[in-house]
Amino acid sequence: GNSVTQMEGPVTLSEEAFLTINCTYTATGYPSLFWYVQYPGEGLQLLLKATKADDKGSNKGFEATYRKETTSFHLEKGSVQVSDSAVYFCALSRNNFNKFYFGSGTKLNVKP
Amino acid sequence: GAVVSQHPSWVICKSGTSVKIECRSLDFQATTMFWYRQFPKQSLMLMATSNEGSKATYEQGVEKDKFLINHASLTLSTLTVTSAHPEDSSFYICSARDPGGDPSDTQYFGPGTRLTVL
Repeated sequence: GNSVTQMEGPVTLSEEAFLTINCTYTATGYPSLFWYVQYPGEGLQLLLKATKADDKGSNKGFEATYRKETTSFHLEKGSVQVSDSAVYFCALSRNNFNKFYFGSGTKLNVKP
Repeated sequence: GAVVSQHPSWVICKSGTSVKIECRSLDFQATTMFWYRQFPKQSLMLMATSNEGSKATYEQGVEKDKFLINHASLTLSTLTVTSAHPEDSSFYICSARDPGGDPSDTQYFGPGTRLTVL
């Protein structure tokens, strides 16, 4: 079946620290992989995506590389800011992008 | 980017009553909308796919008579939880597809509705 596993939170970091949020997946075929972010009181927003193996998605200083050999799509940022505090969801989708499988979300708290 | 709204943002109801949640696409026409449910510290689970003008497609294990979905216009889908019970308490999230963009980008999510059944 299809599933996504991501590290439990909350993750608490100081401003300018390095961030890694781990995400691994199980899927048949060749899924597309996504990171969504949810700021307090708002809906999920697409942060970045990768649609094939070895692709690197990047946006707002965040990046993630689609690693087929390790079935992973870890999210990284070199220097986090207080404004990055949010819940981050890893997700996969297959075929026509109608059905998404989400991880349980990781809450990030960045302290000044 | 495109905006999807949900109303209400939270609702508390008594056991046995029905609750309607609205999902609206504010600046695009959504031929397809999706309803998700999220339990605490768990992932979003797709409940059903709502297509404008036709019956919703429910995921396996979701009771279609309990979770009524209506997608009567290109900008509005509603989810009605009928005869709600405490185990229906959850966070319900909708998303809407913008048919005019890149398919891999175009699910826009609402902010969610917190339902608490007493």
